[in-house]
Amino acid sequence: AQSVTQLGSHVSVSEGALVLLRCNYSSSVPPYLFWYVQYPNQGLQLLLKYTTGATLVKGINGFEAEFKKSETSFHLTKPSAHMSDAAEYFCAVKESGGSNYKLTFGKGTLLTVNP
Amino acid sequence: IAGITQAPTSQILAAGRRMTLRCTQDMRHNAMYWYRQDLGLGLRLIHYSNTAGTTGKGEVPDGYSVSRANTDDFPLTLASAVPSQTSVYFCASSRDSGRTDTQYFGPGTRLTVL
Repeated sequence: AQSVTQLGSHVSVSEGALVLLRCNYSSSVPPYLFWYVQYPNQGLQLLLKYTTGATLVKGINGFEAEFKKSETSFHLTKPSAHMSDAAEYFCAVKESGGSNYKLTFGKGTLLTVNP
Repeated sequence: IAGITQAPTSQILAAGRRMTLRCTQDMRHNAMYWYRQDLGLGLRLIHYSNTAGTTGKGEVPDGYSVSRANTDDFPLTLASAVPSQTSVYFCASSRDSGRTDTQYFGPGTRLTVL
């Protein structure tokens, strides 16, 4: 079975500060990992995904995430927060191998950006 | 390009009533999904369909049913709504149900059951 843990249900940063949203997963086989963003009253939008290959993945809006197998982590970062980054962020895992086709989501991290 | 549309946007429903949430995609995706989102719980899969004519149960299927008569539409039905089904419901689709396929989400339906 696979699971996703997002550390911190709420993260608050100042505009221009580093954004770090943490995600750890558990999986018996190499995972495929995703970060989604949800702006208020909207659906989820894909930020980035890791499948195979380069472990540092770049996404939209200046976000990136690094897959670290030894730490079972896929933390999301952005060097400089912008007010428009305020949203809820979800990490998700899709297990590779077999016929598993379902995404398992973390509980989400609400990012607040202060002026 | 509309992507995924959901209807209604929001609904208040009396307990015991039947309700169908509609979902339509225009991307010719084979796979479709229904999730519910509850505060502090993230998104949980209700039902899915890998291709037209097939459906399967997700993590929280009780009280819900789906059908997939064609590629584009994937309605979710609550046969007899209960207050615990108050939630925001998201429909999603992906080209296929493979490991790397990205799921795209609709705008959601906010359902309140009184």
